[in-house]
Amino acid sequence: GAVVSQHPSWVICKSGTSVKIECRSLDFQATTMFWYRQFPKQSLMLMATSNEGSKATYEQGVEKDKFLINHASLTLSTLTVTSAHPEDSSFYICSADRDSDYNEQFFGPGTRLTVL
Amino acid sequence: RKEVEQDPGPFNVPEGATVAFNCTYSNSASQSFFWYRQDCRKEPKLLMSVYSSGNEDGRFTAQLNRASQYISLLIRDSKLSDSATYLCVVGYSSASKIIFGSGTRLSIRP
Repeated sequence: GAVVSQHPSWVICKSGTSVKIECRSLDFQATTMFWYRQFPKQSLMLMATSNEGSKATYEQGVEKDKFLINHASLTLSTLTVTSAHPEDSSFYICSADRDSDYNEQFFGPGTRLTVL
Repeated sequence: RKEVEQDPGPFNVPEGATVAFNCTYSNSASQSFFWYRQDCRKEPKLLMSVYSSGNEDGRFTAQLNRASQYISLLIRDSKLSDSATYLCVVGYSSASKIIFGSGTRLSIRP
């Protein structure tokens, strides 16, 4: 149990376009999902916490108008990178919290975004 | 100061060796602790949770010292497949979020 999927697994796009990434919890309901970004040779950096039915909470320095998060159901959260630029190229990983009392998070396989 | 600090390594050890990783955290309100493993270009995978009493899972032993705000991971009889980046992770149940350390790279040589 506790499988999280992400789609797409990789995407290449032109500068200025928007890219939507989906994160799904396949066999459990996730009230809370998290979005991370990881640059090469760096650790995961939390971008935002996504709560079902409410607005996402963004970490300091993350532009909420650029990284749009929608958590429409207990099994789906989406991250849209709007007007992507080459500096947005990164590995984007989502996770879902199955048991909020224990903080154990289950990670999706990640989406590698390359902006040309 | 970073919330979770780790020695970045890399650690390069021979197969069969014992290797230890350390991690310190700055927020005394931290309530949950984990070690994750991340292979190159893959997502992190939970290796083990860390409890105050210490816990062991096969060749892996994790210890937590709340007074010193220090977490450790010991790998015995290392295998080639243990080569990866090991991430120390600390959680705050009130916020439900977790904070990752920068990771320690481990390379096991034949």
